Amino acid sequence: AQSVSQHNHHVILSEAASLELGCNYSYGGTVNLFWYVQYPGQHLQLLLKYFSGDPLVKGIKGFEAEFIKSKFSFNLRKPSVQWSDTAEYFCAVSGNNRLAFGKGNQVVVIP
Amino acid sequence: GAVVSQHPSRVICKSGTSVKIECRSLDFQATTMFWYRQFPKKSLMLMATSNEGSKATYEQGVEKDKFLINHASLTLSTLTVTSAHPEDSSFYICSARGQGSYYGYTFGSGTRLTVV
Repeated sequence: AQSVSQHNHHVILSEAASLELGCNYSYGGTVNLFWYVQYPGQHLQLLLKYFSGDPLVKGIKGFEAEFIKSKFSFNLRKPSVQWSDTAEYFCAVSGNNRLAFGKGNQVVVIP
Repeated sequence: GAVVSQHPSRVICKSGTSVKIECRSLDFQATTMFWYRQFPKKSLMLMATSNEGSKATYEQGVEKDKFLINHASLTLSTLTVTSAHPEDSSFYICSARGQGSYYGYTFGSGTRLTVV
């Protein structure tokens, strides 16, 4: 079964700073990769996904992620964060009809 | 498109009673539905995977008799927490996947269960 690891569970940064969240996975088969966001009091929303093709994926709200197969990584980035980006971010990997999540990154953006 | 409705959003029940949570795909047919449990400060834990018309596949450590999952149609899956205890208090989230890769995984809004 696949597993997902996210580092730096708590991230605090100021508005306009750049954000990068790491995601590494372990799975021997073909994977699809996702980043989800959960804003306070709201449900999970899909930020972006990678199925195939260009390994640099652009999602909503200015987020992007890069799939590096050799490193089993799918890091999330945003060049300039806003206060409204305060949320919890989850990396997920699907394979073999299962979707496994990382433990999440709690991101707090200070105005 | 790709909306999943989960109901109820909050429920409080007495210890020993059963609670049913519904998960509906509103505008697509969900061939597979997933049930997760989210603990405070922790990630989502997959409890079980259900395919329409067949028995659910439970993850290791999840009690089948306690968490009954039914996926009788392509738009509805239910999770019933039987004989609930305070330790079952948690946030339960369903996810549905449609046919083909277009829909990805769409999540419901979750159910906060409190057992008193």
